[in-house]
Amino acid sequence: QQQVKQSPQSLIVQKGGISIINCAYENTAFDYFPWYQQFPGKGPALLIAIRPDVSEKKEGRFTISFNKSAKQFSLHIMDSQPGDSATYFCAASREGSQGNLIFGKGTKLSVKP
Amino acid sequence: GAGVSQSPSNKVTEKGKDVELRCDPISGHTALYWYRQSLGQGLEFLIYFQGNSAPDKSGLPSDRFSAERTGGSVSTLTIQRTQQEDSAVYLCASSLRSSGANVLTFGAGSRLTVL
Repeated sequence: QQQVKQSPQSLIVQKGGISIINCAYENTAFDYFPWYQQFPGKGPALLIAIRPDVSEKKEGRFTISFNKSAKQFSLHIMDSQPGDSATYFCAASREGSQGNLIFGKGTKLSVKP
Repeated sequence: GAGVSQSPSNKVTEKGKDVELRCDPISGHTALYWYRQSLGQGLEFLIYFQGNSAPDKSGLPSDRFSAERTGGSVSTLTIQRTQQEDSAVYLCASSLRSSGANVLTFGAGSRLTVL
């Protein structure tokens, strides 16, 4: 059972365009939703995270949009740059619990110059 | 150390051999996690430690997999009688605590290839 579903699997965007990656979750107990960014040969690193008490969080060119009723959240990368080319993972967990993050399967983003 | 250190970075072994993968977490981080990353499969949770105990080892795929942590620091993931399907990148992460909202800091991973 896949608790966090991520799409698309891969994405090609022109420089300056908007990259959009979507995730859906099943467990309504989840209350913490981070996005991790992974460059080749490196481990994933936290990019941005949101809690369900807000519908949007923005940090620079990166924005998370959250729809609690639909159990969906998405990452938007504005003015995408070639340096943004990486694999992006959404994840979910319960803040008050001990334990692990449940990750999506990842989206490989390529930004063409 | 400044980050999470994993060794070896690459390991090629023959089917049936045992392998040990090591993780050195960030000093002071009490929680330590092992994940497996296979091509197209995302990050698969294996086990996590709070101190030296493992409250959740539900992700270990079989009894050929085991892990331990000593001194609240270094952890070793052992795979016995390796199979080709064990080939993957094994990632270790640590965090200050094991609360679900904590930031996980990942190492660069150990790439295991079983021939």
